[in-house]
Amino acid sequence: DTEVTQTPKHLVMGMTNKKSLKCEQHMGHRAMYWYKQKAKKPPELMFVYSYEKLSINESVPSRFSPECPNSSLLNLHLHALQPEDSALYLCASSQEGGGKTYNEQFFGPGTRLTVL
Amino acid sequence: QKEVEQNSGPLSVPEGAIASLNCTYSDRGSQSFFWYRQYSGKSPELIMSIYSNGDKEDGRFTAQLNKASQYVSLLIRDSQPSDSATYLCAVMGRDDKIIFGKGTRLHILP
Repeated sequence: DTEVTQTPKHLVMGMTNKKSLKCEQHMGHRAMYWYKQKAKKPPELMFVYSYEKLSINESVPSRFSPECPNSSLLNLHLHALQPEDSALYLCASSQEGGGKTYNEQFFGPGTRLTVL
Repeated sequence: QKEVEQNSGPLSVPEGAIASLNCTYSDRGSQSFFWYRQYSGKSPELIMSIYSNGDKEDGRFTAQLNKASQYVSLLIRDSQPSDSATYLCAVMGRDDKIIFGKGTRLHILP
C-alpha cells in the first residue's frame, strides 16, 4: 500500500497564527520529505528526514519548523507566515534515506495553504 | 547547478496515438530517474522509475534511459483522455534530492 496521508487538506491562516501540517505513512519508509509547490511550478524540496534525523534543510526560513516524532510521522510547524507562502505543501516518503538507488518517493495528497 | 529540462508544451496528441515526452539532465552522476503524472490541483503520482540504460515497460507506459546522452523519455501508447495531465521528469543523484523538470503539459484530443 503506497499511501501517504496529510492533514488538513486545506488551511487558511493569518500572518500571526501558529498552525501545523501533519503527514503519516505506514509503509515502513525511513525517509520523509516536505516540498512546497506553487501553481504551474514543479515541487521544491524544503526538508528531508532520514532515519528520523533532519538530513537536508534547503535554506528554508525559520518560520517553517519541521519535526519528526517517529519514523511514521512528519510535522511542519508554521508561524508568522507571509502571503507569498501560500502554496500546496506536499509530504513524500521513500524506503531508504542516504542517497540509495531505487529510492522512489511517494507523495501524499498535499495541504493547500492560504495565508491572509 | 543541476538541471532537468523538459519542453513545457502543451503537447497535443490524438486519442489512441503514442505520446512521446522527453527530458534531459545535466548531472552525469544521476542514478535514479522518475516520471510523475500530476493532474491539476492534485499531488504528483509516480508512474515510472528507471535506473539502467534501455527500456522499461509497464502497461501502456515505456520509459527509456540513455545515460551517455543524459536523456530520459516516456512513451504512452494508446493515449486516453485520462492521460491529459502534466508529466514531471525527476532525477536523483547520490543524495536524497530529486530535481524536477518544469513539466510537460499533455493534452489528449478526443
